Amino acid sequence: GQNIDQPTEMTATEGAIVQINCTYQTSGFNGLFWYQQHAGEAPTFLSYNVLDGLEEKGRFSSFLSRSKGYSYLPLKELQMKDSASYLCAVRDSNYQLIWGAGTKLIIKP
Amino acid sequence: GAVVSQHPSRVICKSGTSVKIECRSLDFQATTMFWYRQFPKQSLMLMATSNEGSKATYEQGVEKDKFLINHASLTLSTLTVTSAHPEDSSFYICSASEGQGWSEAFFGQGTRLTVV
Repeated sequence: GQNIDQPTEMTATEGAIVQINCTYQTSGFNGLFWYQQHAGEAPTFLSYNVLDGLEEKGRFSSFLSRSKGYSYLPLKELQMKDSASYLCAVRDSNYQLIWGAGTKLIIKP
Repeated sequence: GAVVSQHPSRVICKSGTSVKIECRSLDFQATTMFWYRQFPKQSLMLMATSNEGSKATYEQGVEKDKFLINHASLTLSTLTVTSAHPEDSSFYICSASEGQGWSEAFFGQGTRLTVV
């Protein structure tokens, strides 16, 4: 079956650095997406990887290793507004998005 | 980035009535639109995929007669929840894509449906 694993919840301090991990097992791979979702709102796009390595996009970079089925989203200089759920999604061979359950990031002052 | 407008953002309806949710792509042609449902503290669950001018493809376990999807144009898709029940209360989100390959999925604002 297809599976996306992310930690359920993480806690960090304002100004610190955190890394949210995502591992996947899917039938085929056509890219990995990271989305941010604040409570009660729709997800917003953060980053996309299709090749191995670090994809840098402003504050939100993301790393991918296809051989390991692994991605991570590093968040630096955390702000209170970064408190949200972070969703990892993989596009499979049928171009369907397979979603992880999301990681709830709690930021404390 | 591209804009997808979803309406209404919140709706409360009585059990047994039907509710229509609209999803519009405002500045691009959405070849494909996706409808998701999200229960509290859970991930997005794909309900169906619709391509303009053709019937929607429903995920296993989703009743197509209950959740009617129409994708009549390249900018509009609608989801109608028919004979709604309290267990249909959820957050419904649409997303739109211009096509396959590198196609960022743009999300609507979501609709919180409460059936009383």
